[in-house]
Order: sequence, then C-alpha cells, then structure tokens
Amino acid sequence: SAVISQKPSRDICQRGTSLTIQCQVDSQVTMMFWYRQQPGQSLTLIATANQGSEATYESGFVIDKFPISRPNLTFSTLTVSNMSPEDSSIYLCSVVERGSYEQYFGPGTRLTVT
Amino acid sequence: RKEVEQDPGPFNVPEGATVAFNCTYSNSASQSFFWYRQDCRKEPKLLMSVYSSGNEDGRFTAQLNRASQYISLLIRDSKLSDSATYLCVVNPANSGYALNFGKGTSLLVTP
Repeated sequence: SAVISQKPSRDICQRGTSLTIQCQVDSQVTMMFWYRQQPGQSLTLIATANQGSEATYESGFVIDKFPISRPNLTFSTLTVSNMSPEDSSIYLCSVVERGSYEQYFGPGTRLTVT
Repeated sequence: RKEVEQDPGPFNVPEGATVAFNCTYSNSASQSFFWYRQDCRKEPKLLMSVYSSGNEDGRFTAQLNRASQYISLLIRDSKLSDSATYLCVVNPANSGYALNFGKGTSLLVTP
C-alpha cells in the first residue's frame, strides 16, 4: 500500500491561531480524505480533498474553518483555523489508491489547543 | 440511531481463546465493509475487507449478512499482539469512497 506521511506529527497551539497539516503520499492516488478523531471517539470524516478544485465537506464542517488544498495527486493540506480547545484532536489523512477501493491512513497529527 | 454500531466491549480474553465482534449498520444500501485495527495512539490499519460470501485471512474470519445488516469478525487462537481496538467500517451508498466508522471494540488478550 501507499506510504503516507503527515507533518507535523503533533503540535500544541494557542487558541485563535491556525495550523496547517500536510499529507504526502509516495504514489499517485485516486482519492484523499481528511478525518478527525476526538479523544475517546471514533473517526469522523471532515472532507474529501479534490485535486484542483474545492474540497467536498461533510455536514458540520465548513471551508472557512477547515480550508483544504490538493494541488496534485500526491499532496494535500488541511488548515485548522481560528482554533479553540474543542479542536484538540487527532487529524488523519487517508488515501484510496488507483484500482482499489481500500482506504489507508496516515500516521495522524495530534493537535492540542490551549 | 448511529450509522454503525458495535459491541461496547471491552473484551478481556486469555491467550488462545476465540473471540467474536459484531457490528450492525443502518444504511441498507451500503456497498463495502471493512474491519480496521487501531493500536493505542496509532492510526487505523486495514485488517480485512468483508465480502458477501465471507472471507478468511489466517486466524481472522469476517462475515456479512446483508439481510440483517450485520457484520462479524472472528479471531481464533488469540495472541497477545491482537490486543487493540477493532473498528467496524462501512462505505455507505452514494458516498463515493467516504467511510463511516463504528466507535470500536477494545480487545485485551491476557497471558
């Protein structure tokens, strides 16, 4: 399966600031997604990162809060804007490779907002 | 009603035991089904896809019952290294590749 990396692996940020998380894949993939996993919870899909166009957001998530870019088939960013302590979570990117429907996850970014 | 529901757990079993996890899903038109494993403070890793005919991978067997909207995972001869949280995951109809995750069932295999 594709090798997925995320940067940063963790960060502690002050409320009101923004953090951009990067997701890099070692091969061209069909789909890229961003998920959130809050403490003690399962994963919730934030959005589908579309190459060269605006991301598709799930209910409860908006572009102003979580702007996403995907300039090519191997890279995407998620920004968590104007952070509050409620944004403390693990943020994970995932990919679907060409010719497959199985989804693989990056190692995650552990964000703490103080 | 949650879209994907799992046994609450936790399951504490001795090494060598057989353990089964159950999962139900609410969207009858769901297309694809998976079991993921998540270790503490790690990302979920795909354990196995679940096919309509059922499938087996070594000590792991997955079953799908579309009529009952029910998925199961059976682990035989449990190892200490099987200790993890097991996530039941469903790809709903008309959602592309987006996934709905259950909250997971925690398994602890003890010596």
